[in-house]
Amino acid sequence: AQSVTQPDIHITVSEGASLELRCNYSYGATPYLFWYVQSPGQGLQLLLKYFSGDTLVQGIKGFEAEFKRSQSSFNLRKPSVHWSDAAEYFCAVGAHGSARQLTFGSGTQLTVLP
Amino acid sequence: AAGVIQSPRHLIKEKRETATLKCYPIPRHDTVYWYQQGPGQDPQFLISFYEKMQSDKGSIPDRFSAQQFSDYHSELNMSSLELGDSALYFCASSPAGGSLYEQYFGPGTRLTVT
Repeated sequence: AQSVTQPDIHITVSEGASLELRCNYSYGATPYLFWYVQSPGQGLQLLLKYFSGDTLVQGIKGFEAEFKRSQSSFNLRKPSVHWSDAAEYFCAVGAHGSARQLTFGSGTQLTVLP
Repeated sequence: AAGVIQSPRHLIKEKRETATLKCYPIPRHDTVYWYQQGPGQDPQFLISFYEKMQSDKGSIPDRFSAQQFSDYHSELNMSSLELGDSALYFCASSPAGGSLYEQYFGPGTRLTVT
C-alpha cells in the first residue's frame, strides 16, 4: 500500500522568504502526486498535481513542485511567501489500478511572520 | 466555476443519533468520494462511487452507509453516532472521462457529536 510522509509538522517563515515543504512517498511504481492546501475551517484546494512527464510542475498561487524518483520525493516550493499562504498543506498520493482514493500525509502547518 | 456542494455545513448530534450528510458534485462529474478528517488529522478515505455504484471502500465503519443517486449526488448515512465520529467530512468529485485522481473537494460538513 502507498504511504506519504511529511516530516515537518510546523514551519514558520517570514513574508517574502522562500519556502520548501517536504513530502516523501512510498509506492512501488510511479505514483500520482498532489499538493492540497487547507485554510482554517475550509475545504481542500488542489495546488498542483503530477501524473507523468516533466518532473517540475507548476501550480496555482505561484507554487511549484518537483518529482524526484530517486529520492521518492515531491517537495513543494514557492520563491516568495505571502501572508495569505499561511495554511495547512497536505501532500497526497494516488495509486495506479482500481484503487482511486487518495492517501494523505499528516500535513504541514505553515505560519507566515510579517 | 461551480464547486462541490455539501450540506449541511455544520451538524450537531447526540450520541446514538443518526445523521445524513449530502454531497452535490460538480456538474458532469460522475465519481464521488467521501473522506473523514478528525481533529488535527489528515483526511482518511471512507468510500467512493462511480456511476452510482460503489467503487472503493476504505476505513468506513459498519454503522455508516452511503449511496450515489441518479443525479450523481451522494449521501452518507451515519447511525449510532459516537463521540469519535466528530470530524470534518469531505466530499470530493472527479470529472467523467478525466483523471480519476483529479479530485475536487467540497468545503466539508463539520459534525459534532455530544
